[in-house]
Order: sequence, then C-alpha cells, then structure tokens
Amino acid sequence: DADVTQTPRNRITKTGKRIMLECSQTKGHDRMYWYRQDPGLGLRLIYYSFDVKDINKGEISDGYSVSRQAQAKFSLSLESAIPNQTALYFCATEGWSTGTEQFFGPGTRLTVL
Amino acid sequence: SQQGEEDPQALSIQEGENATMNCSYKTSINNLQWYRQNSGRGLVHLILIRSNEREKHSGRLRVTLDTSKKSSSLLITASRAADTASYFCATVSGYSTLTFGKGTMLLVSP
Repeated sequence: DADVTQTPRNRITKTGKRIMLECSQTKGHDRMYWYRQDPGLGLRLIYYSFDVKDINKGEISDGYSVSRQAQAKFSLSLESAIPNQTALYFCATEGWSTGTEQFFGPGTRLTVL
Repeated sequence: SQQGEEDPQALSIQEGENATMNCSYKTSINNLQWYRQNSGRGLVHLILIRSNEREKHSGRLRVTLDTSKKSSSLLITASRAADTASYFCATVSGYSTLTFGKGTMLLVSP
C-alpha cells in the first residue's frame, strides 16, 4: 500500500462549490504539505503543518484552507472554487526535519468549470 | 516565488546517451534536492546535496553543486526510455521549506 494517499484522484466541480481534498499517510511523519502544480510550472506551496497544532500559510494560500485532523491526516479545502484553481494538487510528508526528503502522494487532478 | 530555475526546459536524447540538466538559484542554501516526476504523477526524491558538498552519486545519477555560482547539475548516464520524466530541483534556505523550480522535461527515445 502507498505511504501517502490522496482522495479523490480526479474531481470535476463547478464554480462556487466547496470541495475538500484529503491526504492520509502511514509514514508516521509530523510534517505535511499541500502544493499545487500548473502546466509548465513547478510546485507552489499552499499550506503546511509541522504537527497537529501547527498550521502555516505557504506562498499561495488565498482561497484555500486546511485542517490537520490527526498526525496522519491533512485536508485541503476550497471554500468557493473558481476556474483558476484548476490544477494538479499534491500532498507531501517530511520526516524529522524541515528541508529533508519529501514523500509525495499521487496527486488530485481538480477541474473547476 | 521560485528559487531554482532549470535549464534546459526540455531535452530530447537517444537511449544510451547522457543527459545533463542544470539548476540555478538566487540565495544561499542549506541543501539542494532533485526530484523526478513521471507524467501527471507524484514527485519522487532522487538525491540531496548539502551546501558543503560538491558532488554526490547515486547509481546512474551524478549531482554537482557550485555554491559560488549558485548552480547545480544533474547528470544521468546511459539514459533509458524509463528515464523519460520531468526533473525538478528544489532548494532549502535557512529554516524555510522547499522551493521548487519549473523543471526540465526529459524525453529518452529508444
């Protein structure tokens, strides 16, 4: 079984809808991240969490919110989806220290019509 | 904002040839990492090189780091079709999180 899983894998939604993307991990890592990837661009950081009580905004947090329900679960919400949030979303975990190897989930392809 | 910039944006080679990708960055770093992404999939960590290291090897991968030029290169020797992917460099500065470049798309033809 994969160490980092994301659900759903694909989602099509309409403008204005609320949507939640979920991430679960079995690696026992405290640090978890949400990124988005747009065609031809690298990954941009949306939010990150160093433990259950710690949530931090990344480079592009506007329009997004997150919830760290447990060490193993980190959810990303789009409160009112808009078309320019159409992208590939990745969850990642990191071990004992910031700036070490990150482990990525398979991604969620989100389309906002 | 993106710290690393990969060059070239795209690279097409034949199987058996070597592939070299470069990454330039702007500020001093703690370490630099390379990741591979197969089409539409999650990134996979390849190698991490610390700021006090100049070269590192892992299998067919060779990474160099020149902090005076703020640049790194990734060399894949004896490329295979399975190496076809996008390759990203990512830098860590201070206590910050990873900052990714835009990537190099590598196509290895049989």
